[in-house]
Amino acid sequence: SQQGEEDPQALSIQEGENATMNCSYKTSINNLQWYRQNSGRGLVHLILIRSNEREKHSGRLRVTLDTSKKSSSLLITASRAADTASYFCATDAGANSKLTFGKGITLSVRP
Amino acid sequence: DAGVTQSPTHLIKTRGQQVTLRCSPKSGHDTVSWYQQALGQGPQFIFQYYEEEERQRGNFPDRFSGHQFPNYSSELNVNALLLGDSALYLCASSSIQGASNEKLFFGSGTQLSVL
Repeated sequence: SQQGEEDPQALSIQEGENATMNCSYKTSINNLQWYRQNSGRGLVHLILIRSNEREKHSGRLRVTLDTSKKSSSLLITASRAADTASYFCATDAGANSKLTFGKGITLSVRP
Repeated sequence: DAGVTQSPTHLIKTRGQQVTLRCSPKSGHDTVSWYQQALGQGPQFIFQYYEEEERQRGNFPDRFSGHQFPNYSSELNVNALLLGDSALYLCASSSIQGASNEKLFFGSGTQLSVL
């Protein structure tokens, strides 16, 4: 079963625009992570936010976490064609747990 | 510094056969997790190995088994293959010191097709 559910399922934007992706989850978490996957190959870790954090930045990435609403958002600013990929949120419930992925969001950035 | 390597890249098998997939973790990592990713879906956790033992297991039948060797490399074995086993199989490595579920490093995967 998948813990996280991303929204929207697909997103198409113009280069230079911002892309916002949302993730909702069901149970308590220790941290939430976002990964990117290009062309159905390996996933690349983007950013991790812990349950006691509300916002985190990394380059053009901004992630927020609202544990009361069990939701997170990933913002990619000034998008580039190279950002075209699938994006997954993954939740970690802590010790002796597994990292659980959502179904993913397909982002297309038009040049 | 080599990342996570998986072999083979692609594999075609027929129903009922058995398959072995291999993974070498990133240098310095001691924990290996395996995921199955069906087309259009997110990765589903199969199991995790640390110190040559299975630490965690997802909701997969006993046909799925694994092994970790003293050099931290790992194998995933699937017996009695079904059509539904067709998927991308991903290996991810991490360090138990850094908390085994934080910042996984993934290999490029093995695409398994069962005919």
